[in-house]
Amino acid sequence: SAVISQKPSRDICQRGTSLTIQCQVDSQVTMMFWYRQQPGQSLTLIATANQGSEATYESGFVIDKFPISRPNLTFSTLTVSNMSPEDSSIYLCSVARGPDTQYFGPGTRLTVL
Amino acid sequence: AQSVAQPEDQVNVAEGNPLTVKCTYSVSGNPYLFWYVQYPNRGLQFLLKYITGDNLVKGSYGFEAEFNKSQTSFHLKKPSALVSDSALYFCAVRDPYNTDKLIFGTGTRLQVFP
Repeated sequence: SAVISQKPSRDICQRGTSLTIQCQVDSQVTMMFWYRQQPGQSLTLIATANQGSEATYESGFVIDKFPISRPNLTFSTLTVSNMSPEDSSIYLCSVARGPDTQYFGPGTRLTVL
Repeated sequence: AQSVAQPEDQVNVAEGNPLTVKCTYSVSGNPYLFWYVQYPNRGLQFLLKYITGDNLVKGSYGFEAEFNKSQTSFHLKKPSALVSDSALYFCAVRDPYNTDKLIFGTGTRLQVFP
């Protein structure tokens, strides 16, 4: 498995502001993933983050809205930019660990007023 | 399109009784299937997976799942439910065209009553 931490665990933000979510893994991983879980809904992949390259975004998600950094093999950040109430969700990071299995962090619960 | 269906929004079961949480899938090729559990205010925890081999897969906390290719199903089961099993359960399949991507079902809330 993997030990994954996220900061903050929750936040309440004002419309129009931005929030950066951090994800830290206990050991080096090639790829990290960011998911969104909207209230009462399932998880949707936002993007895949490789160290040293641009993140790959899924359809419906753009870099301007969800910029991602991956400065090293154990850390990544996701920024939710220019937030609106529709961005209220749980944001989760995950990593792939041997083999074929993704392990998830505890999530960041975001409320936008 | 690749997809996963969890037909029940909620499953209620008495403690000590067997439980089943249903999942069906539609995916090209051989499926890689997963079950995750989400406890309140917690992230997703991996329960078990099917990649190949024995159709009955055993996982964490006494859970098991049965892969049925002809019915394209991967139902989660436990012989004797515990109140502490009450949580939100997600079935997922790996996207065969983007193997980094998991496609999740809508989730089933399991409520175990004492």
